[in-house]
Amino acid sequence: GAGVSQTPSNKVTEKGKYVELRCDPISGHTALYWYRQSLGQGPEFLIYFQGTGAADDSGLPNDRFFAVRPEGSVSTLKIQRTERGDSAVYLCASSLWGTSRPNEQFFGPGTRLTVL
Amino acid sequence: LAKTTQPISMDSYEGQEVNITCSHNNIATNDYITWYQQFPSQGPRFIIQGYKTKVTNEVASLFIPADRKSSTLSLPRVSLSDTAVYYCLVGDYGQNFVFGPGTRLSVLP
Repeated sequence: GAGVSQTPSNKVTEKGKYVELRCDPISGHTALYWYRQSLGQGPEFLIYFQGTGAADDSGLPNDRFFAVRPEGSVSTLKIQRTERGDSAVYLCASSLWGTSRPNEQFFGPGTRLTVL
Repeated sequence: LAKTTQPISMDSYEGQEVNITCSHNNIATNDYITWYQQFPSQGPRFIIQGYKTKVTNEVASLFIPADRKSSTLSLPRVSLSDTAVYYCLVGDYGQNFVFGPGTRLSVLP
């Protein structure tokens, strides 16, 4: 079946601009996670949704970052007034609770964001 | 969240067994141990998960001693395509993961 998809695959923007990154999770997965990954580092947790609500947004670095999941499926990560330090690969993952592998997250290919 | 420590890098040759050990001294009672693999330009991929003793699947084995303060991922007969970064994570059911820098495994011909 279809995996997690993310669009766009690449995004180049200028400092100060607003960007939206989209994640389509695996159908039926109730949990959705956003991470960002800098070169040579492991993914850094940003926010986690269970259904439509953000169950944990403690990883969002500041109030320029915001994410929504209005219908409990697709999610959008929004970054306002982008800064060069926001450049990274933004990864989305989804998971299905109640399975025999409770911590199995399925990751998308990521969106590479470059802020000039 | 429990902190994990694993080697930054490892080298191996094709056909060898590779063992990557991860330390997690402050693992909590409800925490599972999960390993992920990541290739360049891809998201991480789940390999194996365990709670205690030994778990084996079609790609790897996971050994967990009784005190659960460490775990060892075992990859049998590695090939060039196993060159990747391997992450060890601990956490409760559905908990958010704290990824460290992982172990960069290089498989040489």
